[in-house]
Amino acid sequence: EAGVAQSPRYKIIEKRQSVAFWCNPISGHATLYWYQQILGQGPKLLIQFQNNGVVDDSQLPKDRFSAERLKGVDSTLKIQPAKLEDSAVYLCASSLRGDRGAEKLFFGSGTQLSVL
Amino acid sequence: GESVGLHLPTLSVQEGDNSIINCAYSNSASDYFIWYKQESGKGPQFIIDIRSNMDKRQGQRVTVLLNKTVKHLSLQIAATQPGDSAVYFCAENSEGSTLGRLYFGRGTQLTVWP
Repeated sequence: EAGVAQSPRYKIIEKRQSVAFWCNPISGHATLYWYQQILGQGPKLLIQFQNNGVVDDSQLPKDRFSAERLKGVDSTLKIQPAKLEDSAVYLCASSLRGDRGAEKLFFGSGTQLSVL
Repeated sequence: GESVGLHLPTLSVQEGDNSIINCAYSNSASDYFIWYKQESGKGPQFIIDIRSNMDKRQGQRVTVLLNKTVKHLSLQIAATQPGDSAVYFCAENSEGSTLGRLYFGRGTQLTVWP
């Protein structure tokens, strides 16, 4: 079974530039999540989609971060403009329906972003 | 206060020994807990979960213990192998939250020596 696919694997940009990350979840998974993982810390949820609708974006810095999942399958996370503190690994995860306590999250390998 | 950055708690064990990784949580409303394993350059991988109406759950070579009185959980790995070397995170989730709203604790770096 194919896992969660993410690209690019690494990205280096200068502050104030823009960057976009792509995620393709496991086939058939309705729920998609983006997490930010700063070095030495656990992941923090940025946004959760159910099909093409946003379920939870309360921790997304909306002045600079945006995400979409237009057709309910793959998703793009964008940062514009990037700040130094955005340096982190951006993880995408998916689950079948998002049923708490009944499902697992499957994570991709992430995109490592360095903002210089 | 909690340090950030590279100061992960570490645990070094000999191959074949048992490992115990501890985690404290603070939210009394948390009722679902998950342990993840994260290898270098990869995303977290589900190991085992436990609901707050249980105090112990066993999987293959792993056992999770939950003590709600002191808000503590632990992951026990039996007969630790070199492939178990990774960072281990506990995560908590509260009733009324979505599945994705997980609060991860500080990871523990487990190193297994042959």
